[in-house]
Amino acid sequence: KAGVTQTPRYLIKTRGQQVTLSCSPISGHRSVSWYQQTPGQGLQFLFEYFSETQRNKGNFPGRFSGRQFSNSRSEMNVSTLELGDSALYLCASSLDPRGGLSGELFFGEGSRLTVL
Amino acid sequence: GQQLNQSPQSMFIQEGEDVSMNCTSSSIFNTWLWYKQDPGEGPVLLIALYKAGELTSNGRLTAQFGITRKDSFLNISASIPSDVGIYFCAGHNFNKFYFGSGTKLNVKP
Repeated sequence: KAGVTQTPRYLIKTRGQQVTLSCSPISGHRSVSWYQQTPGQGLQFLFEYFSETQRNKGNFPGRFSGRQFSNSRSEMNVSTLELGDSALYLCASSLDPRGGLSGELFFGEGSRLTVL
Repeated sequence: GQQLNQSPQSMFIQEGEDVSMNCTSSSIFNTWLWYKQDPGEGPVLLIALYKAGELTSNGRLTAQFGITRKDSFLNISASIPSDVGIYFCAGHNFNKFYFGSGTKLNVKP
């Protein structure tokens, strides 16, 4: 079955602009989470969506936002871009791990954002 | 989020050698996952572990879920050049995933 698909794979923006990244989860997966990955900080959790609701949120400023649609596809948006936002943004999907069931997390290939 | 303690941070080995890395935490996890990430790519799930004491293999890779549920290790046997990359662990509990900082593996032919 198709994996997690992220678009675009690469993009270059300038400071002050905004960006929207898209993620299509594995078919049947209802939980979508987003991560920022930089060489110095590793994987940093941004937020997680389930059934169009944000269920968990990491420690990022309000410039970072996201949403999930009824088909489980998700988008994240970063407004007023800063140089430090340059990173690989990874989307991951999993079956709903609630109810005591543990899940597996599958990542997309990421969107490489460069802010100039 | 909370980071798991993963070691070593990096390894330089000769082709053919075996490799071992581990992750520890002060918290109990229900699932341990091991990933490999190549530069510029997304992490690829290698092995998933669900029960304390579980030992699972995937080709030359073997991983174990610690009996205390607070640790896990990954072994790679007879390493080859394509094993180069960053390996990291993830633990899952209470609807959240926590990640190790990664082990960078370099294999010299």
